[in-house]
Amino acid sequence: GGIITQTPKFLIGQEGQKLTLKCQQNFNHDTMYWYRQDSGKGLRLIYYSITENDLQKGDLSEGYDASREKKSSFSLTVTSAQKNEMAVFLCASSIYERLFFGHGTKLSVL
Amino acid sequence: QQKVQQSPESLSVPEGGMASLNCTSSDRNFQYFWWYRQHSGEGPKALMSIFSDGDKKEGRFTAHLNKASLHVSLHIRDSQPSDSALYFCAASEHANYGNEKITFGAGTKLTIKP
Repeated sequence: GGIITQTPKFLIGQEGQKLTLKCQQNFNHDTMYWYRQDSGKGLRLIYYSITENDLQKGDLSEGYDASREKKSSFSLTVTSAQKNEMAVFLCASSIYERLFFGHGTKLSVL
Repeated sequence: QQKVQQSPESLSVPEGGMASLNCTSSDRNFQYFWWYRQHSGEGPKALMSIFSDGDKKEGRFTAHLNKASLHVSLHIRDSQPSDSALYFCAASEHANYGNEKITFGAGTKLTIKP
């Protein structure tokens, strides 16, 4: 079996700050995803990548950048953190449309 | 409007009872569906997929898909306290390509009462 590792587990930032979240997978899956989870709104797709150096925008890509420099890693950058923002960011990899998720990074902005 | 809509938002079922969760797509391109379950503090985990019309059974879980109405449901029989979790429906346009945009619903919070 494999694992999705997200770092950090908790991230506290200041308004306007650029913040980077990291994700590693050892499944050797081609496709990776970043979702944002807000209470009551389910999971919303930010970016996904079907191979190294590929990036595809999701429904919520504004305000975020992503990078896939290696097959095993996918990072997400919040370009300017919004005051009082609070959400969980979930990374996943997939095979045949079955997603395998990490435990998430919980973001709080002061 | 969300392209994948789930109902109810929350559901309480007695232990040993049947839980029924619903999902409807407003996008006719979405033809392939998964159910995921998320326990508190963890990432969602895949429960089962359904790609063809009709029923698919895996243990205590049965999924039903009606492609004409784009309605999919999940039924959990003999519900256990460990089934208490957030349940998500996820949809994609294709199956088995491994490179798809996958869209989730807002989730149903299921509570099993001992």
